[in-house]
Amino acid sequence: GQQLNQSPQSMFIQEGEDVSMNCTSSSIFNTWLWYKQDPGEGPVLLIALYKAGELTSNGRLTAQFGITRKDSFLNISASIPSDVGIYFCAGQGNFNKFYFGSGTKLNVKP
Amino acid sequence: EPEVTQTPSHQVTQMGQEVILRCVPISNHLYFYWYRQILGQKVEFLVSFYNNEISEKSEIFDDQFSVERPDGSNFTLKIRSTKLEDSAMYFCASSVRNGDGYTFGSGTRLTVV
Repeated sequence: GQQLNQSPQSMFIQEGEDVSMNCTSSSIFNTWLWYKQDPGEGPVLLIALYKAGELTSNGRLTAQFGITRKDSFLNISASIPSDVGIYFCAGQGNFNKFYFGSGTKLNVKP
Repeated sequence: EPEVTQTPSHQVTQMGQEVILRCVPISNHLYFYWYRQILGQKVEFLVSFYNNEISEKSEIFDDQFSVERPDGSNFTLKIRSTKLEDSAMYFCASSVRNGDGYTFGSGTRLTVV
């Protein structure tokens, strides 16, 4: 199947810092999604991107759909303790399924 | 806010037994999915379902797996003869259209012993 490379694998930051994570693919995607997962819970959709170059914000979160359609990034500004969790990117090509990245584990020190 | 509901939240089963995982997707959604997540690993696609038939399935979704929409609201995943390696979180998801962001349920943790 398709491989999504998500980085970094984990991050340890201080409360108030900005965070950036990204995903790259060898294939073109038509849709990029960003999810957050808390322990024992299902992923929760944060941002959906449907067009190359699209830049979308959701509160302190901003995500972009790369121009090449092979990458996406997620930024979190002014992090707070409740941002702790695992962030997953997911991409969909021409088929009715999403491929997920391996996740970025975010730790925020108060 | 509408939710995808999954039951049970945790199921323990003996190897070789059949299990049925249940999901109630959001009522106006037309596309339904099952994904699984082995502990500490990424979320993996199993199957997508639209218009009462499977539209995509992964290599994980072999003959031991089946899905059904027995009535207008439930969407089930059956594993016919469970193996130890089937132990994982199983997530149901639904969307209005193909390509839309999914709404995931909170998952069923399946433990095969």
